[in-house]
Amino acid sequence: EAGVAQSPRYKIIEKRQSVAFWCNPISGHATLYWYQQILGQGPKLLIQFQNNGVVDDSQLPKDRFSAERLKGVDSTLKIQPAKLEDSAVYLCASSLTDNTEAFFGQGTRLTVV
Amino acid sequence: RKEVEQDPGPFNVPEGATVAFNCTYSNSASQSFFWYRQDCRKEPKLLMSVYSSGNEDGRFTAQLNRASQYISLLIRDSKLSDSATYLCSSNTGKLIFGQGTTLQVKP
Repeated sequence: EAGVAQSPRYKIIEKRQSVAFWCNPISGHATLYWYQQILGQGPKLLIQFQNNGVVDDSQLPKDRFSAERLKGVDSTLKIQPAKLEDSAVYLCASSLTDNTEAFFGQGTRLTVV
Repeated sequence: RKEVEQDPGPFNVPEGATVAFNCTYSNSASQSFFWYRQDCRKEPKLLMSVYSSGNEDGRFTAQLNRASQYISLLIRDSKLSDSATYLCSSNTGKLIFGQGTTLQVKP
């Protein structure tokens, strides 16, 4: 069974530029998560989708971050404009339901210079 | 107060030792709990789910204490390959992670 796919794996951008990340969850998984993980810290939940609806986005900096999950499958996370403190690994995960274990993609390592 | 808290460590133990990690959660409505393992520069991978009755998988044992709102992970007979960061998570309808506990197993 294919796992969670993310792209790109690495991205380097200048501050104030925009960037987008893509995630394809495990087939049939209704719940999709985006996490930000800064070096030395645990994953921080940015947004959680149930099918194509948002369950929680309380930690998403909405002035610069946006995410969508059209048709309840793939998802994109966008940052515009990027700041230096956005340098982190962005992890996408999916789970069968909102109460079962989540499986992670390999992540996108973002460096803002 | 953070929703999920862990002692970041590092825990430095010799091979063959038994080591235990605790993780506290603040929301009594938490429904499910998991332990993940994360290697350096890799994504977290599910280690085990934590059930009310406790569960064991080889050298690993997970326990849940709802009264005191903590979960624990016990690793027996530590191997060098157990060196990693261990993340606990709780689910209240959203899946929240602690900051992770770093384990270093020395020869």
